Parts: sequence; structure tokens; C-alpha cells
Amino acid sequence: EAQVTQNPRYLITVTGKKLTVTCSQNMNHEYMSWYRQDPGLGLRQIYYSMNVEVTDKGDVPEGYKVSRKEKRNFPLILESPSPNQTSLYFCTSSSSGLRSSYEQYFGPGTRLTVT
Amino acid sequence: AQSVTQLDSHVSVSEGTPVLLRCNYSSSYSPSLFWYVQHPNKGLQLLLKYTSAATLVKGINGFEAEFKKSETSFHLTKPSAHMSDAAEYFCVVSDHLDSNYQLIWGAGTKLIIKP
Repeated sequence: EAQVTQNPRYLITVTGKKLTVTCSQNMNHEYMSWYRQDPGLGLRQIYYSMNVEVTDKGDVPEGYKVSRKEKRNFPLILESPSPNQTSLYFCTSSSSGLRSSYEQYFGPGTRLTVT
Repeated sequence: AQSVTQLDSHVSVSEGTPVLLRCNYSSSYSPSLFWYVQHPNKGLQLLLKYTSAATLVKGINGFEAEFKKSETSFHLTKPSAHMSDAAEYFCVVSDHLDSNYQLIWGAGTKLIIKP
């Protein structure tokens, strides 16, 4: 089954404790991205990757890191989480970043709480 | 600069009556437009998309949207609401910026269905 998977689905952590949210897709998609969703703000892009070893900042990259060593994986790293990073996070993938008409496929989301 | 405005944060309709969710956009190029739906505690799913073909686009679950360039609108409609339509709906513009494409998300409209 074609899908985007994220782990963990739920995470409660403390300020400053490094964490990684994994994302994997099985559709051989070039393009992957991370969003955070906050009430009243819609979805805001954190980082995106056009292909392996190619990553770029989205609208709200501060406090986050990503890497794209393999095509299928795109982990999101919070080196020193803070309470304002409490949010719902979505990983997405699509066929290509060069065509604006391609649909994004979404992971199930990771609900992160930083205390 | 590109932008998306969903004119209503909440829309409440009775079951069996028509649904109208409004979306206006601004874009410098020839955009693609999408509507995504998010059911409570679920990920996002593509409802429909416009990619410069027919201006009236039909999607899943009986939804459709009409692209009106003169009005820069892409409103989502359904003739008869069903309880299962209760969800949050996001209008998205996809446009080219430099050699990449950029997704701009609306803030979302919560659709409430009254029995």
C-alpha cells in the first residue's frame, strides 16, 4: 500500500531534550516536506527536500533540522525543543517539486507536546 | 506575493442543505489549486484539484469547485451535506517560485453539520 509513515504518532517531552521524528514513504517520491499545524494558522511548511541531499527552508524553519540521506526517509530533528514547538506535525511526499499540479501525500501526523 | 484567504473560519449547515466554502487567492503565475479535507484526529486527504484544464472540478464525496480567474476564487460546494462531511477544509494554492513550486495554505474552514 502506498503510504507515508511517521513515528512516533504521539510524543510528550521536556524542554531541551533532543528528539527525532521519522518519516518514510514507499512511493519513490522525489519531493518530501514537513509541516506544522496550529489552530487558526493552517499548515506552515518547516523544511522541504527536492531530492536526496537537497533540502531547503520553508516558512518556519527555526529550531528544526532535517536530513535526506536516502530517497525514502526524511527525519525531522529538534535539537533543543521548546514549548512553542508543541504542535501537530505532518510529513508529506509527492512525485516532483517541479510541477505545481502534483498532489501531496500526507503522513498520519505526530502530535508533539513539549513541557 | 501569493496568498490564500478562506473567508469563513466556521460554516454551519443543516444535513441535506447545500455547502459553500469560500476561497480567494492571489497569484502571480498560473496556479494549481487544491482542496484538502481533514477529519477529526486524522491526516489530510485530497478532495480535488484544478490544474488549468476544466474550470469546474469534481472531487470525491460529491464535492466540486469552480475556478474563476476573474474573481480569483476557488469556492468549494456540495449540493447536499451529510453528517460525515463534518471536518476541516483547507484551500491550497501551488505556484512556481524560481524553479520550485511553493504551496500556500489557507487557515482552514471548519464545517459543522447540524442534524
